[in-house]
Amino acid sequence: SQTIHQWPATLVQPVGSPLSLECTVEGTSNPNLYWYRQAAGRGLQLLFYSVGIGQISSEVPQNLSASRPQDRQFILSSKKLLLSDSGFYLCAWSLTGPLHFGNGTRLTVT
Amino acid sequence: GENVEQHPSTLSVQEGDSAVIKCTYSDSASNYFPWYKQELGKRPQLIIDIRSNVGEKKDQRIAVTLNKTAKHFSLHITETQPEDSAVYFCAAVEEESWGKLQFGAGTQVVVTP
Repeated sequence: SQTIHQWPATLVQPVGSPLSLECTVEGTSNPNLYWYRQAAGRGLQLLFYSVGIGQISSEVPQNLSASRPQDRQFILSSKKLLLSDSGFYLCAWSLTGPLHFGNGTRLTVT
Repeated sequence: GENVEQHPSTLSVQEGDSAVIKCTYSDSASNYFPWYKQELGKRPQLIIDIRSNVGEKKDQRIAVTLNKTAKHFSLHITETQPEDSAVYFCAAVEEESWGKLQFGAGTQVVVTP
């Protein structure tokens, strides 16, 4: 069966510091991969999605970026974090079916 | 693009009563409508979904109905239990874009014993 791993689970970073969140999927090949963000008490917003290695589409302009160096690896990055980047970041995957989320990373920018 | 509205934002029910959450969508091309349950501090988990060629789907105590003409769909939870307390999100998407879901703002459901 397919599993999705996301780390770290929690992260506290100062404003202006860099960010790297990693997500890997096991048990499937060539999945579609997604990064969603959930601000406190809010809904889920799609940030990036990828249909293959090196293929990234951005849904929302911001100071974040994403990369997919391997088929089952998806990375969310920032060179300089802003306070507004705080939130719950969720990696997700799908094939020709429902979206499945990882356990998420709770990011607090101080 | 798609816009999904969800009501109510909070819902308190007595244990054993029913809960209903309603969503409307704007894009007539949307044909896949999942519902996710998110417990505090955890990831959203798919609980039920419906495609546009079906008007109703049921899974034990939960059911979803879809009115494509009116562009609205609803989640029904019967015989609510304390473990049903969570935030519920509806979403809509054109099936070819599976993961690019447009989510509603969520409904906080509180089931009191």
